Amino acid sequence: DGGITQSPKYLFRKEGQNVTLSCEQNLNHDAMYWYRQDPGQGLRLIYYSQIVNDFQKGDIAEGYSVSREKKESFPLTVTSAQKNPTAFYLCASSPYTGPNEQYFGPGTRLTVT
Amino acid sequence: AQSVAQPEDQVNVAEGNPLTVKCTYSVSGNPYLFWYVQYPNRGLQFLLKYITGDNLVKGSYGFEAEFNKSQTSFHLKKPSALVSDSALYFCAVRDYSGAGSYQLTFGKGTKLSVIP
Repeated sequence: DGGITQSPKYLFRKEGQNVTLSCEQNLNHDAMYWYRQDPGQGLRLIYYSQIVNDFQKGDIAEGYSVSREKKESFPLTVTSAQKNPTAFYLCASSPYTGPNEQYFGPGTRLTVT
Repeated sequence: AQSVAQPEDQVNVAEGNPLTVKCTYSVSGNPYLFWYVQYPNRGLQFLLKYITGDNLVKGSYGFEAEFNKSQTSFHLKKPSALVSDSALYFCAVRDYSGAGSYQLTFGKGTKLSVIP
């Protein structure tokens, strides 16, 4: 988990509210990623960003939004349009070039009721 | 698109016995393969990767993985399992997503339980 922080660790929201999950890294990595993890489904990519002020949709972007205004920060907003937002959310980063592994944060468990 | 499969949802092994967690892949071109471990309510930790070269890759915590091109497999192994190895293990392959962008595609994970 070193080098990437996610806050808060647990988050509770009422249905219909937008919520923003924080992700910060001090590894000087260019690329950052957001994944959603559900039991038995592995990790699914929501959004990723290779450079500041640029990001691309992943496999399950609907109902989510991101911004990348600073190299070290990549916040994820779970909007009210996301039909099933309760999940474990993981942020990761990696150097942009080369076959490099991704480094993961500790995750945020979001519960929407 | 690249993909990986982990055919076993769960693997049980006795402490001190060798362990194997299986992964097969499907790629076009040269595969870049990774193994990660996840402990409950934690992020993923990188264990090892195969890029090129020796088919036996050594990683963290005594784990190793064997790359087999003919069988398109990248199985994770450890000679002697510890109870503390009990966790969720993910295999991943680097995937090209266009415009110079790469991402990792993950398997669904294998839960390893080491029985004392």
